[in-house]
Amino acid sequence: GQNIDQPTEMTATEGAIVQINCTYQTSGFNGLFWYQQHAGEAPTFLSYNVLDGLEEKGRFSSFLSRSKGYSYLLLKELQMKDSASYLCAVIDSNYQLIWGAGTKLIIKP
Amino acid sequence: DGGITQSPKYLFRKEGQNVTLSCEQNLNHDAMYWYRQDPGQGLRLIYYSQIVNDFQKGDIAEGYSVSREKKESFPLTVTSAQKNPTAFYLCASTLRGTSGANVLTFGAGSRLTVL
Repeated sequence: GQNIDQPTEMTATEGAIVQINCTYQTSGFNGLFWYQQHAGEAPTFLSYNVLDGLEEKGRFSSFLSRSKGYSYLLLKELQMKDSASYLCAVIDSNYQLIWGAGTKLIIKP
Repeated sequence: DGGITQSPKYLFRKEGQNVTLSCEQNLNHDAMYWYRQDPGQGLRLIYYSQIVNDFQKGDIAEGYSVSREKKESFPLTVTSAQKNPTAFYLCASTLRGTSGANVLTFGAGSRLTVL
């Protein structure tokens, strides 16, 4: 079966750095997304990786290793507004999106 | 501003009733999707539509129905046949269909509770 694993919950301190991991086992791979979702709101797009390596976008970076079936989202200089759930989603060989359950990130002052 | 509007935001339903969730987009996107979100689970696809007057079942279509009579609108009906309908429902759209790295734009969601 297809599976995406993310930690259920993480806690970090304001101003610090946090890394949210995502591992996947899917039938094929055509890209990986990260979305941010504040409680009760719509998910919003953060990043897309299709090739190995690091994609940097301001305070957020996303890394992909296709050989390891692994990605991470790196958040720097954490702010209270970063408290949210972070969703990892993989495009499989049929171009269908497979979603992880999300990681709830709690930022403490 | 362009976006997706879902209504109602909160909805309560008695068992045995059908309810319809509205989804309207003014992004001129071709494809629209309905997802269900439950605690501790990833988003699950209910139905999707890549063009007007055509739609496809997703992974959990049983107990749901949709229509796509206009490009802008993709309403979802939760029927009494859906055994566990209490969930958060998200509507989304993409400029084109599911092929390739199409970024989803989501609505704010509708929370349905069955009493």
